[in-house]
This record gives sequence, C-alpha cells and structure tokens, in this order.
Amino acid sequence: EPEVTQTPSHQVTQMGQEVILRCVPISNHLYFYWYRQILGQKVEFLVSFYNNEISEKSEIFDDQFSVERPDGSNFTLKIRSTKLEDSAMYFCASSVGQGGYGYTFGSGTRLTVV
Amino acid sequence: AQSVTQLDSHVSVSEGTPVLLRCNYSSSYSPSLFWYVQHPNKGLQLLLKYTSAATLVKGINGFEAEFKKSETSFHLTKPSAHMSDAAEYFCVVSPPGNAGNMLTFGGGTRLMVKP
Repeated sequence: EPEVTQTPSHQVTQMGQEVILRCVPISNHLYFYWYRQILGQKVEFLVSFYNNEISEKSEIFDDQFSVERPDGSNFTLKIRSTKLEDSAMYFCASSVGQGGYGYTFGSGTRLTVV
Repeated sequence: AQSVTQLDSHVSVSEGTPVLLRCNYSSSYSPSLFWYVQHPNKGLQLLLKYTSAATLVKGINGFEAEFKKSETSFHLTKPSAHMSDAAEYFCVVSPPGNAGNMLTFGGGTRLMVKP
C-alpha cells in the first residue's frame, strides 16, 4: 500500500536554528499538507499546497514557516529561527482530491527545540 | 466554522467488551466526518469516513460509527475490544466536497484495553 514517508523521525535543534522537515507524498496525489501536534494538545492544521502554491493556511503558519516542493517528489516544511514552542510532532499528508477525502498521513517527525 | 469535541480523553475497557468513543461536532454546513487511529510511533490511519451517504458507516477492524444529525454526533463503536485496539483515536471533521481541505481534529481519546 502506498505510503507517505517523512524524514527524519526525530529532530533535535537548538533554539534559533532553522530546520527542514521532509516528506515524500504518494506519487499520484495532488494535494499536500502539514499538520502539527504539540504534546498534550490537538492536531492542528498548518498549510495545504496544490499546484505549486499554498491553497490554505492557518493562523499558526506565519512568516516563520514556509513550504516547498523542490523537485516534484519531495514536499518540505522549513521553520526559521525555531522557538521552544515549535517543539511538536509534525505530520505530512497528501490526498488525491479535495474535501478531506483520501488523506494519507505520514508517521510524523518529532521536533524538539532545546 | 467547524469544531469537534471528543467527550472522553481516556476510555478503559476489558478485552471482549464493547467500545464506545464519543464525538460531537459543530459545523455551519453538512460536513464530512472521519475517525483516525494512531498507534504508538505510527502515523494517523483512517478508520472510517462519513460523506453524506449511509448514516451507519463501517470501517476497518470491526469499527462502526453512526452519523446522527439531530444530535450532531458521530460516535465510534466496536462490539468486542481486542488488545490491539489500544491506541489514540481522533474524530475529525472537514468541509464537504470542494469547500476546502482543512481537517479539524478533536482532542483525541486514548483507548486502553485490559486483559
């Protein structure tokens, strides 16, 4: 069964550093997403990406964050100048179409900012 | 706007007994509803989805959920719990059709299954 692959599974970074979280979506999917889950809190939507541009983003997704699909297979989330409160599990997902149908999530990257 | 409330943060059952995980939603339109499961160190796996067809939805691993519009509920049930069902369960709502892609998650219910 096709999978969404996320790397690394764990990342520790120092406050103020930049991190890039990587995802390989399912090859025939057209929509790509990032969600995050701070420990003990709800899973929260960050951003959706379609046709090489952001289609929706939440209030969380400010100028500190950016997404990119650099080579037609990878989908990345860059977090600049990380803060302690960025520590969370970050999930990548992809889907064929809109409306929440057919989402497939990756297993997540646990980011710890120290 | 849409929101989801999972009424129990933890549920503990004995193996072989029924499971009920409760979910209420709020939405300004007729939403799509989902249940996802997360096993430790694993991704979010889709259990089942409601998309305005039959109100009783069957999913994987013997789970079912019933959409009740009058009660704005989408509770998840299973007749007989198995040890492997121990996991975190999320009730999720999304806009219908082409109205958007954003999933809104409930707070999660951790299901514990005792031998």
